[in-house]
Amino acid sequence: AQSVSQHNHHVILSEAASLELGCNYSYGGTVNLFWYVQYPGQHLQLLLKYFSGDPLVKGIKGFEAEFIKSKFSFNLRKPSVQWSDTAEYFCAVEVSGFQKLVFGTGTRLLVSP
Amino acid sequence: DVKVTQSSRYLVKRTGEKVFLECVQDMDHENMFWYRQDPGLGLRLIYFSYDVKMKEKGDIPEGYSVSREKKERFSLILESASTNQTSMYLCASSFGREGTYEQYFGPGTRLTVT
Repeated sequence: AQSVSQHNHHVILSEAASLELGCNYSYGGTVNLFWYVQYPGQHLQLLLKYFSGDPLVKGIKGFEAEFIKSKFSFNLRKPSVQWSDTAEYFCAVEVSGFQKLVFGTGTRLLVSP
Repeated sequence: DVKVTQSSRYLVKRTGEKVFLECVQDMDHENMFWYRQDPGLGLRLIYFSYDVKMKEKGDIPEGYSVSREKKERFSLILESASTNQTSMYLCASSFGREGTYEQYFGPGTRLTVT
């Protein structure tokens, strides 16, 4: 079965620090990759997605992620975080054609002002 | 804007009760999903549906059933609620076309079973 690993469960940063959240998946075939974010008290919403093409994808609010096929990774990055980025971040993988997502366990990010 | 609504934000039920959680989407999506979200476990898929009257088991279907009589509505049923079903339940929907599998989530229902 496919699985998704997010190794950082809790991350605490100061404003303006750079962010990188790790995501690794275990499937050797074609995958579609997603990062979702859940701000306190809000719906889960899509941050960015990779289906094909340029492995560096840009999302909303200055986030980006890089798909490295050889490492089965899809790490999320932001050069300078803000207090408003405090949220829980979920990586998800869709095995191409199956239409359902497998989520990681999430990373709680706290950005201190 | 896609909208996925869930019937309740908070629900408290007693052990053994039958519980219905309702989800409605307004974007004519083919696919609908039910997840539960627990701290440290992320989102786990309970059931999903590709079309009306169709359902597929997810990763943790035990103790749950679903119903999809209309395209826009997907219900999750706990036949006999138990305390280990206390959780946040999230509904989601998506188009069924290749390359458009972004899922749109509802606000969640926090269910407490006492």
